[in-house]
Amino acid sequence: DADVTQTPRNRITKTGKRIMLECSQTKGHDRMYWYRQDPGLGLQLIYYSFDVKDINKGEISDGYSVSRQAQAKFSLSLESAIPNQTALYFCATSGVGRDEQFFGPGTRLTVL
Amino acid sequence: AQTVTQSQPEMSVQEAETVTLSCTYDTSENNYYLFWYKQPPSRQMILVIRQEAYKQQNATENRFSVNFQKAAKSFSLKISDSQLGDTAMYFCALMIKAAGNKLTFGGGTRVLVKP
Repeated sequence: DADVTQTPRNRITKTGKRIMLECSQTKGHDRMYWYRQDPGLGLQLIYYSFDVKDINKGEISDGYSVSRQAQAKFSLSLESAIPNQTALYFCATSGVGRDEQFFGPGTRLTVL
Repeated sequence: AQTVTQSQPEMSVQEAETVTLSCTYDTSENNYYLFWYKQPPSRQMILVIRQEAYKQQNATENRFSVNFQKAAKSFSLKISDSQLGDTAMYFCALMIKAAGNKLTFGGGTRVLVKP
């Protein structure tokens, strides 16, 4: 079983709809991250969380919100989706004192 | 703020040959890590190799090696004996330890290995 899972893997939605992307991990890591990847570009950080009560904005947080429901779960929400939020979204985890981030398989989101 | 620049959008290489990908970065921090990630068509992000900034010795992982030039802030990746399965996007990334281990990515280099 994968250590970091994301649901859904693919989603098509319409402008103005609210959508939630979910991330779960079984690695026991405290730190979790949400990244966005636009076509042909690198990943940009949206939000990150060091534990359930510690949530921080990344480089491109406008239009997004997050919820850390438990150590193992970190959700990303688009309150009112717009077409330029069409992208590939990655969740990642990292343990305290570890230098590596472990990525989920990604969610491809299309906003029409 | 940190920046990572990959100046080669695409590169092609013949199977069994060697290819080198360039990466430059900018940071005022001294305690950081550098990474190369591979993203094949499956879109999974796969760690290829890591380098700790305080280590002078260049990291190697099988057919993958880096040339880390700290003063020049350069971190290139060499793929030796290229295989068809190496075809992918490759991303250089910088992690600042004091900044919560957040990763800053370059724009990527697409590598095509030709048979």
